[in-house]
Amino acid sequence: KQEVTQIPAALSVPEGENLVLNCSFTDSAIYNLQWFRQDPGKGLTSLLLIQSSQREQTSGRLNASLDKSSGRSTLYIAASQPGDSATYLCAVHAMNYGGSQGNLIFGKGTKLSVKP
Amino acid sequence: EAGVTQSPTHLIKTRGQQATLRCSPISGHTSVYWYQQALGLGLQFLLWYDEGEERNRGNFPPRFSGRQFPNYSSELNVNALELEDSALYLCASSFRTSGVRETQYFGPGTRLTVL
Repeated sequence: KQEVTQIPAALSVPEGENLVLNCSFTDSAIYNLQWFRQDPGKGLTSLLLIQSSQREQTSGRLNASLDKSSGRSTLYIAASQPGDSATYLCAVHAMNYGGSQGNLIFGKGTKLSVKP
Repeated sequence: EAGVTQSPTHLIKTRGQQATLRCSPISGHTSVYWYQQALGLGLQFLLWYDEGEERNRGNFPPRFSGRQFPNYSSELNVNALELEDSALYLCASSFRTSGVRETQYFGPGTRLTVL
């Protein structure tokens, strides 16, 4: 069974710090991995999509890496700001678990709080 | 460009009633996905519609159903509501490609409360 785990469940940092969020998955047979941001009571905002053939993707202060063989991805946030406070979710389109049929499997997220 | 829209924002029903949730995808997207986010359970895949057809469903009972219209908008119906159906229901859309899945773009969600 494909399981996606995110550590830590919650993280509090002072403004300006660089930080890393971790995501692991149990089955390395994936099409891609996607990072999302969710503000309280709101929908998801797509941050980065990494195809299985790629090692990393960058967007502004965000950098996501993928190591498919070890089943890990990290989301690096540089120079964190209070506006970055949200829950960050990673999700995979898994080959053996309906990934080709639209099923994204999500982790439970890391709740980030950036203090001014 | 308008994003994915969902209506209503909030919906309050009682046990046994039926709920209908609506989703309009981003223009040009043909695939619509439904997810349930219940407290403590995380996001669970419900249904995938593409080109008017149901392509896949998650591990949910048949009282969760829906359809996709010719304009690619979609409706999720939940019959015989139970208390545990209370959740945030998220709709997402994407381009439909053969091969690797495209980015899914999510709407703001419908908060369903069952009393």
